[in-house]
Amino acid sequence: NAGVTQTPKFQVLKTGQSMTLQCAQDMNHEYMSWYRQDPGMGLRLIHYSVGAGITDQGEVPNGYNVSRSTTEDFPLRLLSAAPSQTSVYFCASSGPDSGNTIYFGEGSWLTVV
Amino acid sequence: GDSVTQMEGPVTLSEEAFLTINCTYTATGYPSLFWYVQYPGEGLQLLLKATKADDKGSNKGFEATYRKETTSFHLEKGSVQVSDSAVYFCALSTLPGSARQLTFGSGTQLTVLP
Repeated sequence: NAGVTQTPKFQVLKTGQSMTLQCAQDMNHEYMSWYRQDPGMGLRLIHYSVGAGITDQGEVPNGYNVSRSTTEDFPLRLLSAAPSQTSVYFCASSGPDSGNTIYFGEGSWLTVV
Repeated sequence: GDSVTQMEGPVTLSEEAFLTINCTYTATGYPSLFWYVQYPGEGLQLLLKATKADDKGSNKGFEATYRKETTSFHLEKGSVQVSDSAVYFCALSTLPGSARQLTFGSGTQLTVLP
């Protein structure tokens, strides 16, 4: 009963470094997305995917890349980390069999110094 | 664009007190409305939802009614418990029949004291 699994849970990066946040779901959901959560701002959509091979930008896509080579996985890449990307990142998925309810992972806490 | 405005926190209540967290929205069309809860160190969990006007969502003693005339979806609970301490997010989705892309409010931190 894994649901949506994110790794790593905590990460500290130096400015300019790159890294990938991993996200996997085992519910065969077609829709996956990444949000970032910042104090006083709720969650904002970064990128999303409606199925394997298809991705699109959300509200705050700059500085991030995504790919969707399989239904299960939706990694988020930070190309050159900046302090403004210090945030908590949540991966989410949904599908028709979930009543289109979105299920969230437990979050990845990223600090860029 | 779509937006959600939530009552600012933090909110501190004593156990068994009545809870209201206000939420109003601006959206084109007829959105679906949601309340999510985030317990410390965890991800967001769906608490309740309503998909059309006058629907009432309910779960774990929490309720919220979709009020189209006032564009509101206020969260209420008659008697809070210490275990209800969490951050509560109001959210909406305007994609028909789907909750795929959510617009969130800023969240309200609730602390319940014994």
